[in-house]
Amino acid sequence: DAGVIQSPRHEVTEMGQEVTLRCKPISGHDYLFWYRQTMMRGLELLIYFNNNVPIDDSGMPEDRFSAKMPNASFSTLKIQPSEPRDSAVYFCASRKQGPVNTEAFFGQGTRLTVV
Amino acid sequence: GENVEQHPSTLSVQEGDSAVIKCTYSDSASNYFPWYKQELGKGPQLIIDIRSNVGEKKDQRIAVTLNKTAKHFSLHITETQPEDSAVYFCAASKGSNYQLIWGAGTKLIIKP
Repeated sequence: DAGVIQSPRHEVTEMGQEVTLRCKPISGHDYLFWYRQTMMRGLELLIYFNNNVPIDDSGMPEDRFSAKMPNASFSTLKIQPSEPRDSAVYFCASRKQGPVNTEAFFGQGTRLTVV
Repeated sequence: GENVEQHPSTLSVQEGDSAVIKCTYSDSASNYFPWYKQELGKGPQLIIDIRSNVGEKKDQRIAVTLNKTAKHFSLHITETQPEDSAVYFCAASKGSNYQLIWGAGTKLIIKP
């Protein structure tokens, strides 16, 4: 497996524009997580899905953020409208469900810059 | 809810020396404690983990210790090498159906 695949790797956009980040989890994994990483706030969990169903979105900062998982192999994180304070690295991660915790595999991340 | 504190935020050690990073957690129900390494420009990657029924676990130069009574766990890296330079994150979880709660990270610098 190629691992968790995120696209794009880098995104520069103007304030007010819509941004869509994409993630392909590892095949067979049941959980998918979206994280945001900044110097100030560290690694923040935004939302996670179990079997394509959103379980906890309490980390989503505002209504401008939305996430979907239409099927087991694809998820999107959308920001509309984007603001400069959304600039960060966004990671997608996936892991397999089991009787005990399993390793979470992270993608390479999308570096978002909103100017 | 669970809170995980990690210290120090930055650690600089001479190549060949040992490095120790410490984390404390608040929820006594937590039973899974992984450590992730994040290299520049990459996502975090699991390097070692420990479950609450074990006090210590080793994997070559890396070891993790857990003190459930005191609610703290530590990462030990011996004979540090330049490739150990990275940001290290600890985390805690109550079980496989619960999310990981992350520490703030430690930037480890290995001086040649």
